Amino acid sequence: DTGVSQNPRHKITKRGQNVTFRCDPISEHNRLYWYRQTLGQGPEFLTYFQNEAQLEKSRLLSDRFSAERPKGSFSTLEIQRTEQGDSAMYLCASIQTATNEKLFFGSGTQLSVL
Amino acid sequence: QKEVEQNSGPLSVPEGAIASLNCTYSDRGSQSFFWYRQYSGKSPELIMFIYSNGDKEDGRFTAQLNKASQYVSLLIRDSQPSDSATYLCAVNDYKLSFGAGTTVTVRA
Repeated sequence: DTGVSQNPRHKITKRGQNVTFRCDPISEHNRLYWYRQTLGQGPEFLTYFQNEAQLEKSRLLSDRFSAERPKGSFSTLEIQRTEQGDSAMYLCASIQTATNEKLFFGSGTQLSVL
Repeated sequence: QKEVEQNSGPLSVPEGAIASLNCTYSDRGSQSFFWYRQYSGKSPELIMFIYSNGDKEDGRFTAQLNKASQYVSLLIRDSQPSDSATYLCAVNDYKLSFGAGTTVTVRA
């Protein structure tokens, strides 16, 4: 157990539906990342937060994707009007940048869009 | 050109042998380099990090960094079946950029 919690573990949805994932980072970690991983590829950066501020979104991320981290604690990633190409593992990771450069990953949410 | 590239694999080694994994990166300004291990269906876990040119050893693992050649490698000595996994090279430029990974199979 890495301490980063993601829910749900699995999500099956129909094309066109909206989905939302949640990530609870390790409590003292100030930075939170979202990654997406497909089979045979490494994790692909989506976005990251420093406390509650979203500092960068990947230019590969369409407008259908939005993320929030209210109060700098948990984060949510929403995908609107899902497409089959959105099927992937969505990974959350957190780090305390002041003291430790080790990035801790959650177990991920596996999204399947039918 | 991808930011981080790894030898494609898969790599199959007999138990007890040395597994050698290679990685190159495109951003010459990169300062931090990481190796993650990922078992099938699991999330990545950090096994080594290196910041300075040269070698860094941790148990059976040795990371090697050559910034002039923009090259980082991982050696796994005395490979065990439990080392069978995908190994991801990552470069830190405030966010981690990952390679596609090399899958290693250790034959008993």
